[in-house]
Amino acid sequence: DAGITQSPRHKVTETGTPVTLRCHQTENHRYMYWYRQDPGHGLRLIHYSYGVKDTDKGEVSDGYSVSRSKTEDFLLTLESATSSQTSVYFCAISEGTGTGVQPQHFGDGTRLSIL
Amino acid sequence: GNSVTQMEGPVTLSEEAFLTINCTYTATGYPSLFWYVQYPGEGLQLLLKATKADDKGSNKGFEATYRKETTSFHLEKGSVQVSDSAVYFCALNTGFQKLVFGTGTRLLVSP
Repeated sequence: DAGITQSPRHKVTETGTPVTLRCHQTENHRYMYWYRQDPGHGLRLIHYSYGVKDTDKGEVSDGYSVSRSKTEDFLLTLESATSSQTSVYFCAISEGTGTGVQPQHFGDGTRLSIL
Repeated sequence: GNSVTQMEGPVTLSEEAFLTINCTYTATGYPSLFWYVQYPGEGLQLLLKATKADDKGSNKGFEATYRKETTSFHLEKGSVQVSDSAVYFCALNTGFQKLVFGTGTRLLVSP
């Protein structure tokens, strides 16, 4: 299994509070991704990173920011959490080297509830 | 734009039945196609992939063929087991190593 650790695994917080989720990898992969999973929507890309300090938006980036100061860590921040951000969040990584499309490997997810 | 459409679930089967989960896509260019599986409480795992038209991906008895003429990538298995109960996601790459996922299809297999 790919070495991906998400923390925390579960979190309950209140509307308006800041929340940071962490993704840590031990594979030295170039690409890292944050998705959210909601019933009826599958997985939707929030932000992704293609290198240290190189990030870009996905399809549902409003209300989220990310940072990647080291290859192994990718942080997702909700500056002021809202109830619509209650979801399961998944981190993924891919090598991004060589030719062709590389498969993504997923962490076990963080279940976030915002009351 | 790029999108993936999967059949609604749940798909309920008895053990040893034949499985088909339909997946069609809309994309510009020639995307690579993937099936991922998610077991309860876990993240997604890559099940199989195909990178060009007429390629057949296969793994653990599952297979899917990349059909460019029908823009489809249906997942099949000849004889399902209780342990195959999970949610299955079809996905395509949109370039720059990004994926677009379908909504997922839950498979329930009873003994």
